Parts: sequence; structure tokens; C-alpha cells
Amino acid sequence: GAVVSQHPSWVICKSGTSVKIECRSLDFQATTMFWYRQFPKQSLMLMATSNEGSKATYEQGVEKDKFLINHASLTLSTLTVTSAHPEDSSFYICSAKEPSGNTIYFGEGSWLTVV
Amino acid sequence: EDQVTQSPEALRLQEGESSSLNCSYTVSGLRGLFWYRQDPGKGPEFLFTLYSAGEEKEKERLKATLTKKESFLHITAPKPEDSATYLCAVQAGGNTPLVFGKGTRLSVIA
Repeated sequence: GAVVSQHPSWVICKSGTSVKIECRSLDFQATTMFWYRQFPKQSLMLMATSNEGSKATYEQGVEKDKFLINHASLTLSTLTVTSAHPEDSSFYICSAKEPSGNTIYFGEGSWLTVV
Repeated sequence: EDQVTQSPEALRLQEGESSSLNCSYTVSGLRGLFWYRQDPGKGPEFLFTLYSAGEEKEKERLKATLTKKESFLHITAPKPEDSATYLCAVQAGGNTPLVFGKGTRLSVIA
């Protein structure tokens, strides 16, 4: 079946540095991908909608200059957390819609720890 | 505003004890209702998409049903490996993001 892959699965970075998370659709092309954030024992919180070839649409309260999203191809979207702080530590998950149907698949998630 | 409410928040079952999880929703034009399973520390795993009232889908011990206001995820004779958080979400438009409920944490005890 369709697969959405994220990399890295987990990453530790120092405060003030930037870290990039990749989201790839392996079996299909996705013009739209979504980025979520999840805190322990809470549901998924939508951060932004990533559109291939155009600017991402950010949810209210999400800093676009801090969470840079690039959807440069139909199979790859990246989320860069810039000038990371400990409060950015979280579980980040992406999803993509398979165009042939209406199924939305999620990646395995990426754990970010900022120390 | 599109909303999804899941109940109960947590459910503890004995192995073999069947039950149902509820997902109530309000959405302006339902395009699809989705069920996912999420294990701790992992991304959601797709289970079902339901499109219209009256539709039912099954997968192993799970059966999802849909009405105009709610969806149920029935779990028949659950096993400990069914323990997970089950998430319900709705989509209102073609490329709009899913709106999630808070999930139901299911624990199945042997």
C-alpha cells in the first residue's frame, strides 16, 4: 500500500540550531502534504498545509519564520525548525493524500529533542 | 466550525470483551470520515475511510459504521495487541486537512 516516510525518526539538537525533517510519499505524488505536532497524550495539532510549488499555509499561532516548510517536489516536503528552543521539543508528523482515492496516510513521525 | 468529539476518553477491556468507540462530528459537507490507530511514539496507521451514512467497513476484529452525526468503531473479541489510541477525523473538502478528535485510549487486558 501507499507509504509516507519521515526522516529522521528522532533527532537531538542544541538550542539555537536548526533541524530539518523530511517527509516523502513513496508510492504516489502528493500535491498537498500536512504537518502536525503532537504532545504526549494529546491529539494531533495541525501546523501547516504544504503545497507543491507554492507557499505553505500556516495555522493561526504557528510562526512561519520559525517553522519553514518547503514542498519542492511532488514527493517531498521538508519542515525546518529554526533557532530551536527546548519548548520546540515534540513529535512531528506529516501526512499526504493519495490522489487516486481519498486516503490520507501518515508518516512514522519524528521525535525532536532540543537541549 | 468543524468539530469531532470522541468518547470515551479511555477504555479498559478484558480480552474477548467486545465494545464500541464513538465519534460524533459536525462538519460543513462531509467528504470523508477517517479512523486511525496510533501506537505510542508512532504515526497514525490508517484503518478506514467512510463516505456516506449507512456505510460500513470491516478489518479483522474492527468494524466502522457511519451515520449523519456519528461513527462507531466496533471491536469484537479484542486481543491485547489491539491496545492503542484510536483517532477519528473528518475532512470537509478535497485538499483540506483532517480535523481530529482527541482519541480513545484502548487497553485490552489478557
